[in-house]
Amino acid sequence: QKEVEQDPGPLSVPEGAIVSLNCTYSNSAFQYFMWYRQYSRKGPELLMYTYSSGNKEDGRFTAQVDKSSKYISLFIRDSQPSDSATYLCAMSAASRFGNEKLTFGTGTRLTIIP
Amino acid sequence: NAGVTQTPKFRVLKTGQSMTLLCAQDMNHEYMYWYRQDPGMGLRLIHYSVGEGTTAKGEVPDGYNVSRLKKQNFLLGLESAAPSQTSVYFCASSRQSGGRYEQYFGPGTRLTVT
Repeated sequence: QKEVEQDPGPLSVPEGAIVSLNCTYSNSAFQYFMWYRQYSRKGPELLMYTYSSGNKEDGRFTAQVDKSSKYISLFIRDSQPSDSATYLCAMSAASRFGNEKLTFGTGTRLTIIP
Repeated sequence: NAGVTQTPKFRVLKTGQSMTLLCAQDMNHEYMYWYRQDPGMGLRLIHYSVGEGTTAKGEVPDGYNVSRLKKQNFLLGLESAAPSQTSVYFCASSRQSGGRYEQYFGPGTRLTVT
């Protein structure tokens, strides 16, 4: 069983819809949770960064972490065609040098239909 | 400020050939990483470095070697390429900022081994 599970999709939604992307994990030591966005043939770029449980909002994006259920979510409101990309969840535990080693989900490919 | 750059962008190798991938960052980051990305497998950590002159193994280190002789550069070597090493390789760098370790990724190198 993988440490981080993510539905690969693909997921297609109409423009303006609310998108929900999710990951589950098994390692209870994970404390830092991230969402990366990756456009086709590009490197991943950090979208949201959350420590421990709770919600974080940034514009149209909201990240939620439920450590008791080992479940994280990313919500995209008023989705736009420019949001079409692969979304990767990532997480890490504190280590001897800090929390620098990330474990990634496989990514969910999202398409927003105009 | 170029961020993280990778050289080359594309490469085709024959089985048994060797090559070196170069990663450079101009953000004065302490930490650097090499990942490979394969369909259905997500991003997997090959090797990483927590500072100049130091390297450590990640999740999938076999068949690869690395060196960090200068803080700004991180080299990934394939001594004897195998078809299983066909992948997209990403380099990333990060530094601690208020307890956060945000990883910044390069554009990737597409490697095909025939």
